[in-house]
Amino acid sequence: EVQLVESGGGLVRPGGSLRLSCAASGFSFNSYTMNWVRQAPGKGPEWVASISDTGDDIYYADSVKGRFTISRDNTRNSLYLQMSSLRVEDTAVYYCARDQYGGYGFDVWGPGTLVTASS
Amino acid sequence: HSALTQPASVSGFPGQWITIPCTGTSSDVGGYNAVSWYQQYPGKAPKLMIYDVSSRPSGISIRISGSKSDNTASLTIAGLQPDDEAIYYCSSYTNNNARIFGGGTKVTV
Repeated sequence: EVQLVESGGGLVRPGGSLRLSCAASGFSFNSYTMNWVRQAPGKGPEWVASISDTGDDIYYADSVKGRFTISRDNTRNSLYLQMSSLRVEDTAVYYCARDQYGGYGFDVWGPGTLVTASS
Repeated sequence: HSALTQPASVSGFPGQWITIPCTGTSSDVGGYNAVSWYQQYPGKAPKLMIYDVSSRPSGISIRISGSKSDNTASLTIAGLQPDDEAIYYCSSYTNNNARIFGGGTKVTV
C-alpha cells in the first residue's frame, strides 16, 4: 500500500525550531518529487516547499524562504522539513504530499502532523 | 502570486450538476496545463480529483470532470450525490516553480 506518514509536530514557542519527518512506503520513493503542504485552522492548503527526486531542485514559498529547509534521504525513504524562527502564523497541519508522476497534482498525502507556534 | 479565486459556496440538489470556477492569471492557471482539484472532508487530508486540468486519477468517478479557458479553470460534478458534500480546492503550478491554491468552495447537496 502506498503510504506517507508524518511525525515531529508539536507545541513550540515563537522563534523556536522543529523538525518534521515523513516516512514513505509502498512506492519507489527515489522516483518522485515530494512536497510539504500546510493548512492553517479553517483555511485552505498552502504549498510550502518541494524537492525533486534526486534532491537537486528545491523550491520554497516566499512565506518560509530563509527559515525552512526541505531535504530527503532516499536510502531511508524519508522526507524532512527543518523549521526555524517559527512564527505564530506558521501554526498549521503539515502534510507530506507526493507529486503525480509525469503530471501536476499531489496524488498521495499523509494524514498530517500539527505544528502549533504559541507562547 | 495571490491565492486563486473560488466562490465560497455552491449548492445543488441530488442528481443535478454543478460547476466550480477557479480564476487565476496568465502566470499560473492561464500559463500552464497544470491545474489540479482536491476534495477535502473535515479532519481529513485533501484527495486528488483532477490533475493536468482534465485528467482523472484511477478510481475517481467519471461524474467528475475538469476544464480550462484562459485564466479560469472549472470543476464539474455531474449527478450530484450526498457524499459529494465537501470542500473543493483548485491548485496551479506558477511561473516561479511554486504551487498556489484557491480559497476553497464548500459544496452543499
